[in-house]
Amino acid sequence: DADVTQTPRNRITKTGKRIMLECSQTKGHDRMYWYRQDPGLGLRLIYYSFDVKDINKGEISDGYSVSRQAQAKFSLSLESAIPNQTALYFCATSDRGGPDTQYFGPGTRLTVL
Amino acid sequence: GNSVTQMEGPVTLSEEAFLTINCTYTATGYPSLFWYVQYPGEGLQLLLKATKADDKGSNKGFEATYRKETTSFHLEKGSVQVSDSAVYFCALKEGGSGNTGKLIFGQGTTLQVKP
Repeated sequence: DADVTQTPRNRITKTGKRIMLECSQTKGHDRMYWYRQDPGLGLRLIYYSFDVKDINKGEISDGYSVSRQAQAKFSLSLESAIPNQTALYFCATSDRGGPDTQYFGPGTRLTVL
Repeated sequence: GNSVTQMEGPVTLSEEAFLTINCTYTATGYPSLFWYVQYPGEGLQLLLKATKADDKGSNKGFEATYRKETTSFHLEKGSVQVSDSAVYFCALKEGGSGNTGKLIFGQGTTLQVKP
């Protein structure tokens, strides 16, 4: 079984709709991250969380919100989706007390029409 | 601010050719440097890393050396295979006691290896 899972894997929605992307991990890591990937721009950090009560904005948080429901779960919401939020979204985890490696989920491809 | 710049792709090579993907960075302090690889339809996975100047990271025949004097971390492989076709990302993590674990990524370089 995958250590970091994301649901859904693909989603097509319309402008103005509320969307939630979910991430779960079984690695027992404290830190979780949400990135979006756009062609030619690499990955950009949306939000990150060091534990359940510690949530921080990344470089492109406008239009997004997050919820850390438990150590293992970190959800990303788009309150009112717009077409330029069409992208590939990745969740990642890392261990505060361990090596620097981040472990990524398989990604969610979101299309906003 | 901190940033990472990679050579633009796509890079197209024949099998067994030599690969170099250039990566340079701008950072204060002493960052850790990484190469991540993304195979088609998958998430990113760590390929190799180096945490201090002159360190060499290596894995699966790939190598990269942390060069502080040139602020570079170029990825090399002596003989590529079709299975190496993927997108490669260079990244840095800020160093120091206040580091947050956040990664800053380059834009990615697509490698296509033809038989």
